[in-house]
Amino acid sequence: DIQMTQSPSSLSASEGDRVTITCRASQSISTYLNWYQQKPGKAPKLLIYDASRLQSGVPSRFSGSGSGTDFTLTISGLQPEDFATYYCQQTYSLVGFGQGTKLEIK
Amino acid sequence: QVQLVQSGAEVKRPGSSVKVSCKASGGTFSSVSWVRQAAGQGLEWMGGVYPIFGSTTYAQHFRGRVTITADESTTTAYMELSSLTSADTAMYYCATAPRLPPDTWFDAWGQGTLVTVSS
Repeated sequence: DIQMTQSPSSLSASEGDRVTITCRASQSISTYLNWYQQKPGKAPKLLIYDASRLQSGVPSRFSGSGSGTDFTLTISGLQPEDFATYYCQQTYSLVGFGQGTKLEIK
Repeated sequence: QVQLVQSGAEVKRPGSSVKVSCKASGGTFSSVSWVRQAAGQGLEWMGGVYPIFGSTTYAQHFRGRVTITADESTTTAYMELSSLTSADTAMYYCATAPRLPPDTWFDAWGQGTLVTVSS
């Protein structure tokens, strides 16, 4: 199985900040990497697919990059509604998720 | 955009089985996966069904205990989990993908079905 490791596990930031979340795969997954946002009591929401493609309707302050084993999700100019938990997902071999990164208000 | 509506919450005894449904409307039905989430924990993929190919894949952790099926005529997918224990208490989500693996992503999710396993 491909292991997905996110860092950090939690992160405190302020409105307006730029934050970066990292996801590392245990082997190369090309760009078969997606990012999701989940708020308490809600289903996950797709933000980024194919490592860097912005899902329709998602604000442009969200961006993704990377290929192979190392990927990043960047949020430029945090808004109040961005405080949530973020997950990366690989679909190169079956499906696997990272353990999540909880983004909290500082 | 596909909309997914799942069946309601379930309370089950240890050792029994549960079957959760996921009704799709408004789009294609090419791929349906099931993801579970225990309280306060992360997302865990269980498996998926690909009606166009009539095939399924399962996560190693669930093989032998989960059965995922789909009825194209009613655009409904099902997830049945057997030999339940308290560790299976979780929210179960279905999700669809617009493309087949590996270049795929889950762009629509059901509202979740809470399964509680308790004696």
